[in-house]
Amino acid sequence: GAVVSQHPSWVICKSGTSVKIECRSLDFQATTMFWYRQFPKQSLMLMATSNEGSKATYEQGVEKDKFLINHASLTLSTLTVTSAHPEDSSFYICSARGRVGGNYEQYFGPGTRLTVT
Amino acid sequence: AQSVAQPEDQVNVAEGNPLTVKCTYSVSGNPYLFWYVQYPNRGLQFLLKYITGDNLVKGSYGFEAEFNKSQTSFHLKKPSALVSDSALYFCAVRGGASMDSSYKLIFGSGTRLLVRP
Repeated sequence: GAVVSQHPSWVICKSGTSVKIECRSLDFQATTMFWYRQFPKQSLMLMATSNEGSKATYEQGVEKDKFLINHASLTLSTLTVTSAHPEDSSFYICSARGRVGGNYEQYFGPGTRLTVT
Repeated sequence: AQSVAQPEDQVNVAEGNPLTVKCTYSVSGNPYLFWYVQYPNRGLQFLLKYITGDNLVKGSYGFEAEFNKSQTSFHLKKPSALVSDSALYFCAVRGGASMDSSYKLIFGSGTRLLVRP
């Protein structure tokens, strides 16, 4: 099946620094990528949707300048958490949608746990 | 607006017994419905989906789900639970292709399944 990877799988950073998380579709081209965040014992909340080569569409309440999303190629999207604060600590999950085996499907990455100290 | 409800925070079942995890939805038009499973500190794994056709959908690991349009439900079932099925289960909905070109998935709050030996 199709594979979506995320790097790093976990990261600890100091308050005020920026962190970049990569999401890659390994064996298919992702025309659309989604970024979610998940707080402990809670559901996934969609942050933004990005299409390759265009600006991301952010969900209401998500700060564009804080969560920078770049979808530079059909296999790579990055999420940069700028000036991170402890409240940004969360589990970030990306999802990639593309054509696999003749059908368009959506696949999820394994997630990145961010801890801001 | 699309929404998904998972009324049970947790479901407890003995190994070997049948299990049901409930999900109801609200969406305009014909829904696309999904079930995902999440193990601790991991991303989401796809179990099954309903788009059209037979109301009973069979998926991975022996799981199945029944689409009930009149009750707007899509309950997840398994005839005989395994201890290894213990995990967090998410129901998700997306509007049909003609209704929603963003392909965004809206997730329920999740149900923790605990299968005791």
